[in-house]
Amino acid sequence: DQQVKQNSPSLSVQEGRISILNCDYTNSMFDYFLWYKKYPAEGPTFLISISSIKDKNEDGRFTVFLNKSAKHLSLHIVPSQPGDSAVYFCAASAGSSNTGKLIFGQGTTLQVKP
Amino acid sequence: DTAVSQTPKYLVTQMGNDKSIKCEQNLGHDTMYWYKQDSKKFLKIMFSYNNKELIINETVPNRFSPKSPDKAHLNLHINSLELGDSAVYFCASSFRTRMVSGDTQYFGPGTRLTVL
Repeated sequence: DQQVKQNSPSLSVQEGRISILNCDYTNSMFDYFLWYKKYPAEGPTFLISISSIKDKNEDGRFTVFLNKSAKHLSLHIVPSQPGDSAVYFCAASAGSSNTGKLIFGQGTTLQVKP
Repeated sequence: DTAVSQTPKYLVTQMGNDKSIKCEQNLGHDTMYWYKQDSKKFLKIMFSYNNKELIINETVPNRFSPKSPDKAHLNLHINSLELGDSAVYFCASSFRTRMVSGDTQYFGPGTRLTVL
């Protein structure tokens, strides 16, 4: 039972354009969402997060949007740069569980072409 | 300065052997985790410890035993290794157990375990 899904295994974007990565979840108890970026042979690194009390959070070129009614979130990268090429993981946490357990999606590989 | 470090980075071993992976964090965090990334690239939580106390113990075979000698270290010992244990294992840490706005988990570089 995959509670967090990233249905696009890969995405290719031209440098300077917008990259949009999508994530869907099924558990309505999730109240905190994170995006991680992962380069080959490295661990995931935190990118941006959003609490369920918000519908948007912005940090530089990165913006995360949350649509609670649709149980959907998206990560926008504008403008995309070749260095953004990596695997992006969406993760969710249910604060009520009080365990810090993160449920990850299966990742989307982003390729930004120069 | 490495925040979360793991050793070894690569581990190749035979079926039936016992092996350990070590993890250390120098962030002063109270909570540490072990995740497994399988061949399908799913990252799944295995264990978490808060200040040496076990918090999460997912459905993991008893052959896997975490050990936390202090809150800066969380080691993973695996007995009687099987082919299906081949995966990348990530250690992570966080300031606190309950994730609230602004919190994150910091991941180590991973240990690629290959069981032959």
